[in-house]
Amino acid sequence: LAKTTQPISMDSYEGQEVNITCSHNNIATNDYITWYQQFPSQGPRFIIQGYKTKVTNEVASLFIPADRKSSTLSLPRVSLSDTAVYYCLVGVFTNAGKSTFGDGTTLTVKP
Amino acid sequence: EAGVTQFPSHSVIEKGQTVTLRCDPISGHDNLYWYRRVMGKEIKFLLHFVKESKQDESGMPNNRFLAERTGGTYSTLKVQPAELEDSGVYFCASSRRDRGKAGANVLTFGAGSRLTVL
Repeated sequence: LAKTTQPISMDSYEGQEVNITCSHNNIATNDYITWYQQFPSQGPRFIIQGYKTKVTNEVASLFIPADRKSSTLSLPRVSLSDTAVYYCLVGVFTNAGKSTFGDGTTLTVKP
Repeated sequence: EAGVTQFPSHSVIEKGQTVTLRCDPISGHDNLYWYRRVMGKEIKFLLHFVKESKQDESGMPNNRFLAERTGGTYSTLKVQPAELEDSGVYFCASSRRDRGKAGANVLTFGAGSRLTVL
């Protein structure tokens, strides 16, 4: 199983850049790294996915070092609405049973 | 496109009763997954359908849980008889088939069905 480890919580202020790191030491060759965001009373929502190096989309960047044993989600200039739980998920979704969400990181953005 | 729809949003039943949760995936999504979070713990995988076939049901906790996906469209998850420890939030997610990129599936989740067993 590709187990992940993330900080339980993080605090930030509006306008700052936030970096959340996830450790996944036993990542397999075919595993992808995916980050999800979850607000209260909602299901997780896809943010970004990557396999190696750097991926950027309109909301975030994902940095993956060469050994792929960790990954960092970067949220530029956060706002109050970015307060949520962020999950790092490692696995191959054709075999979703091998993927777990972990406890996630609760990000609190303050004014 | 419409999202993943789950019904009911909240169900309160007594121990020993039966509850059926329903999930309508995004149209055209062959993959359908059930997950649950119990006692505020982490979200855990229950099972995975590819169309109407169970691809992986290794996360189903016991034989009180029965999932079906007749016709490869919507899915139901029945708990019979319900126990106190079944209380939690049950999430459904769907995704398209891989498009040549192994592992690149992206899940779209529903809002979840909260089950309270008294």
